[in-house]
Amino acid sequence: DVQMTQSPSSLSASVGDRVTITCRASQGIGNFLAWYQQKPGKVPKLLIYAASTLHSGVPSRFSGGGSGTDFTLTISSLQPEDVATYYCQKYNGALLTFGGGTRVEIK
Amino acid sequence: QVQLVQSGAEVKKPGSSVKVSCKASGGTFSNYAISWVRQAPGQGLEWMGCIIPLFGTSNRAQKFQGRVTITADESTGTAYMELSSLRSEDTAVYYCARGNIRTPFFDYWGQGTLVTVSS
Repeated sequence: DVQMTQSPSSLSASVGDRVTITCRASQGIGNFLAWYQQKPGKVPKLLIYAASTLHSGVPSRFSGGGSGTDFTLTISSLQPEDVATYYCQKYNGALLTFGGGTRVEIK
Repeated sequence: QVQLVQSGAEVKKPGSSVKVSCKASGGTFSNYAISWVRQAPGQGLEWMGCIIPLFGTSNRAQKFQGRVTITADESTGTAYMELSSLRSEDTAVYYCARGNIRTPFFDYWGQGTLVTVSS
C-alpha cells in the first residue's frame, strides 16, 4: 500500500508568513493528490485537487504543487482564519489514503 | 445544492455493531463514489472504504477487511456503513464523503456521526 507522510506534524508561524507543508508518497501517484483543511471541531473541506488545482471558493493564497512522490501546500500569507489541520490524500488506485496531518497555529 | 446528511450519534457496547447512514440530495447519487472516513478523538483522518452505487462495487482499507460493510440504496440515495465487533478504539466521528468515480477526492462531506463504544 502507498503511504502518505506529511511534514512537519505541526508548525507555528506569524500572520503574513509564507507557510509550506510537504506530503510524500511512498510510491509515485502522478498528480492524484488532494489537500483538505479541517478547522477545530469542523468538517474537513477540500482545498486543492489534482495536486495544484484550487477548489472553488478557496482563497488564492493557497497553492499546491508537485507530482509523482513529492507535493507541497503553500499558504502565501498566513491569516488567523487559516488555523487548522491540513491533510493530504492520494486518490489514485483502489485505496484512498490520508497523510497524518499538519497542525498550523499562529505564533 | 449537494448535501450529505448522516444519522445521529450512537452509543454501543463492545462486541456489537453499528450502522451509520448517509443520505445524499442535490445530485445524481449513482454517478458518484461515497467513501467513509473516520476520526478518533484528537487523531487524523482515516479512510475506511467506499462504494460506487452505479456499479454496486465497494472497496475497503485492509485494516477494516472483514469488519466493515458498505452498502447503498439507489432508490433512496442513501449509503450505509456497518462496523462490527466494535471495540473502544472504534470510538470516533464517522464521516461520509462524495467523490467522482474517476477522481474520487472528496468535494462534499456529511456532518459526521459520533460513535461511542463503551461498556
